[in-house]
Amino acid sequence: DAKTTQPNSMESNEEEPVHLPCNHSTISGTDYIHWYRQLPSQGPEYVIHGLTSNVNNRMASLAIAEDRKSSTLILHRATLRDAAVYYCIFGESTFGDGTTLTVKP
Amino acid sequence: EAGVAQSPRYKIIEKRQSVAFWCNPISGHATLYWYQQILGQGPKLLIQFQNNGVVDDSQLPKDRFSAERLKGVDSTLKIQPAKLEDSAVYLCASSLSPIQDRNSPLHFGNGTRLTVT
Repeated sequence: DAKTTQPNSMESNEEEPVHLPCNHSTISGTDYIHWYRQLPSQGPEYVIHGLTSNVNNRMASLAIAEDRKSSTLILHRATLRDAAVYYCIFGESTFGDGTTLTVKP
Repeated sequence: EAGVAQSPRYKIIEKRQSVAFWCNPISGHATLYWYQQILGQGPKLLIQFQNNGVVDDSQLPKDRFSAERLKGVDSTLKIQPAKLEDSAVYLCASSLSPIQDRNSPLHFGNGTRLTVT
């Protein structure tokens, strides 16, 4: 079973950077790391994904450890709209319970 | 691009009744997934299809749950009979690439919230 480990919750101040960690020690060499976020009463929303190299898009950056056993989702300037549950997954689409991000004004 | 459509948005039934959920994936997406999300937990995969074939239904409680994807497009998930512990949000997701290509992100609908009383 493809499992990831994430902190249950994190807090950030508005307009500050946020680093959300994820451990995935059982990842295989061909598995991509995907991040999703879920707002209340909505389905999960794709954020970013990567294989080995660090990745950037308009929403966030993904930093992947050299051994690929962990990754970090980086929100460069948190906004109140970024408050959500963040999930990292790999392999056969098994979600953990994610990290609940609270953004304080 | 239209997103993944699900209906109904909410459903309340009594235990031992039947219920069905419908999903219309993004056009052209080969792979379709059904997830169950209990309050406070992450989504749990129930079944995944590639086109109209089942790839993995190992987590589907087959004594009461069934799913089909006729013609490789729309899909329905049925529960018969429902139990109290089936109260959850049922999410449908689709992705462009076949199962073997894990590069393709999942696109989720907003789910159906089922309450069993």
